Amino acid sequence: IAGITQAPTSQILAAGRRMTLRCTQDMRHNAMYWYRQDLGLGLRLIHYSNTAGTTGKGEVPDGYSVSRANTDDFPLTLASAVPSQTSVYFCASSDSISREVGNTGELFFGEGSRLTVL
Amino acid sequence: GEDVEQSLFLSVREGDSSVINCTYTDSSSTYLYWYKQEPGAGLQLLTYIFSNMDMKQDQRLTVLLNKKDKHLSLRIADTQTGDSAIYFCAESIVGVDQFYFGTGTSLTVIP
Repeated sequence: IAGITQAPTSQILAAGRRMTLRCTQDMRHNAMYWYRQDLGLGLRLIHYSNTAGTTGKGEVPDGYSVSRANTDDFPLTLASAVPSQTSVYFCASSDSISREVGNTGELFFGEGSRLTVL
Repeated sequence: GEDVEQSLFLSVREGDSSVINCTYTDSSSTYLYWYKQEPGAGLQLLTYIFSNMDMKQDQRLTVLLNKKDKHLSLRIADTQTGDSAIYFCAESIVGVDQFYFGTGTSLTVIP
C-alpha cells in the first residue's frame, strides 16, 4: 500500500547518542515535514522540505537536522540526544508546494516513531 | 506562527452528538482542516473547509466556520465508540507552505 513509512517504530536511546529517524514516501510528493507530538502541546513542526534539495526550519528545530537528497527520503537526525527529545515523531508529506486556492494540500502521515531518551 | 487552540478533552455518550471546537488566528485566505488520530497511529484527514465557506456537511460530520469570531467546530452526529480518538484542528495559509496544528481534543465515547 502506497504511503509513508517511518523507522524505527520505537526506540530507547541513551542521552548523548546520535539517532536518525527514517522516513520514506512513495507518492512522489514534493513537500515533506517532521513533527513531534507531545501531550498538551499538539503537533509542532521541527523541519520541512518544499522540494528535493531544500529544507527549512520549523517551530522547534534546535537539536535536530534533516536532509532531502531525493524526493522520497527525508531523514531526521538527533546529533546528541537529550531527555527533552523524548516524544513521538511523525513524518508527513503533501503534493503541494504551496497551498494555492483550489488545492487543499492534504497532509499524509506516517505511523510515528516513539523515541525515549534516558 | 499562527495560534490554533482547542480544549484537551471531551466525553460524550454513545448516540449523542459531539461538538469539538477550535479557534485560530485569522488570515486573508485559509484552509482549515480536521484530522483524526486513532491510538497508536498517525493522523488522517477527516474533512476541510475553505475560509469563504460557512458550513460543510459530509455524512455524520458537519463543519461550521465563524470567520468573524475565528471559530471552527466539528460536529459528529450519532457518535459511536469507534469515533473515540484525538481530533486536531489545523490551519494552512494560501501561499505559505506550512500547517499550524492545535493541541488536539481527545474524544472519549462512553457506551
